[in-house]
Amino acid sequence: AQSVSQHNHHVILSEAASLELGCNYSYGGTVNLFWYVQYPGQHLQLLLKYFSGDPLVKGIKGFEAEFIKSKFSFNLRKPSVQWSDTAEYFCAVNIDTGRRALTFGSGTRLQVQP
Amino acid sequence: GAVVSQHPSRVICKSGTSVKIECRSLDFQATTMFWYRQFPKQSLMLMATSNEGSKATYEQGVEKDKFLINHASLTLSTLTVTSAHPEDSSFYICSARDQAEYYGYTFGSGTRLTVV
Repeated sequence: AQSVSQHNHHVILSEAASLELGCNYSYGGTVNLFWYVQYPGQHLQLLLKYFSGDPLVKGIKGFEAEFIKSKFSFNLRKPSVQWSDTAEYFCAVNIDTGRRALTFGSGTRLQVQP
Repeated sequence: GAVVSQHPSRVICKSGTSVKIECRSLDFQATTMFWYRQFPKQSLMLMATSNEGSKATYEQGVEKDKFLINHASLTLSTLTVTSAHPEDSSFYICSARDQAEYYGYTFGSGTRLTVV
């Protein structure tokens, strides 16, 4: 079964700092990759997703992620974070059947200090 | 966009009672819905996959007699926690897949269950 690893459990940044959150998965076949954000007290929201094509994916709120197949990675980046980016970020994987549920990483809590 | 409504958002119940959680897709049809459980500061763990008109598929270690799932229509799935115990206290989240957007997953806002 596939698994997802997020090595950064808690990240603290100052506003305007650059962000990179790591995500690695373990599955040798074709995968679909997602990043979700969960703001305090709110539901999960999709930031971006990768199915195929350009490995550099741009999402909402200025986030982007790069799929590096050789490294089984899908790291999330943002050049300049804002206080409003304080949230929990989850990487998720779905193997290419279109039927299965997402497998989530353990999440990264991002705290942006003003 | 696609919206999933989950109710209740919070519920407190006594040990031994049952609690029903509803998950509705408001503006799309969802043949497949997923139920997750999230422990504090942990990730979402898949409990079961709910398919409209058929029995749910439970993940290993999830008691199907305790967590009853019914997906009677294309817009509604319910999770009933039967004979709840304090260890069932958790955050339960449903997700629905939008067929129109093949890989789209929309999440409900979750239900905080506290068993006392």
